[in-house]
Amino acid sequence: DAMVIQNPRYQVTQFGKPVTLSCSQTLNHNVMYWYQQKSSQAPKLLFHYYDKDFNNEADTPDNFQSRRPNTSFCFLDIRSPGLGDAAMYLCATSRDFGGREPQHFGDGTRLSIL
Amino acid sequence: KQEVTQIPAALSVPEGENLVLNCSFTDSAIYNLQWFRQDPGKGLTSLLLIQSSQREQTSGRLNASLDKSSGRSTLYIAASQPGDSATYLCAPKPSGSARQLTFGSGTQLTVLP
Repeated sequence: DAMVIQNPRYQVTQFGKPVTLSCSQTLNHNVMYWYQQKSSQAPKLLFHYYDKDFNNEADTPDNFQSRRPNTSFCFLDIRSPGLGDAAMYLCATSRDFGGREPQHFGDGTRLSIL
Repeated sequence: KQEVTQIPAALSVPEGENLVLNCSFTDSAIYNLQWFRQDPGKGLTSLLLIQSSQREQTSGRLNASLDKSSGRSTLYIAASQPGDSATYLCAPKPSGSARQLTFGSGTQLTVLP
């Protein structure tokens, strides 16, 4: 059974048109992460939430925002997508930041920009 | 800043071979190191998590070792199968206040039938 679920699997949007990606989890984990992965590259952390506390990576563009309305759901909003934002977006969770806790990933949303 | 290197970038082997994937990292102050598998167009599946105090961790045909002081980890796959074909990524987790995993670019493995 899927524990980290991302919707949709594929998203196409137009240049400059806002888009929202969704992630839900059934693990009741405290931490949720959003990563961006471009073709043949390593995943790059954009931001994460510990419960309601939001932490933005220093080099995450202002164009990217996130919301976590409750424990189970987290959203990635891209306000004005550019061609360079085409990528796979991965959501992950962990119980906390402790060293014994692995991160669990969803299947990702592949975003294309027309 | 942690830098993670995975060598080779791509590997092709015949079915049945044992193989080793390598991961090196520059900052040895880590909490743990996780190995992931990524199938084309999919997310990451956690394979093994090895704590900084451990030397190795095993799951089925997979064995991960960690030499923290030298900044190295290896993933050993025994008796490889075509279903093992995927990209394998390693990700050390820093100790201290930093929270993020730093991923290597991965090794793309192809097991030929």
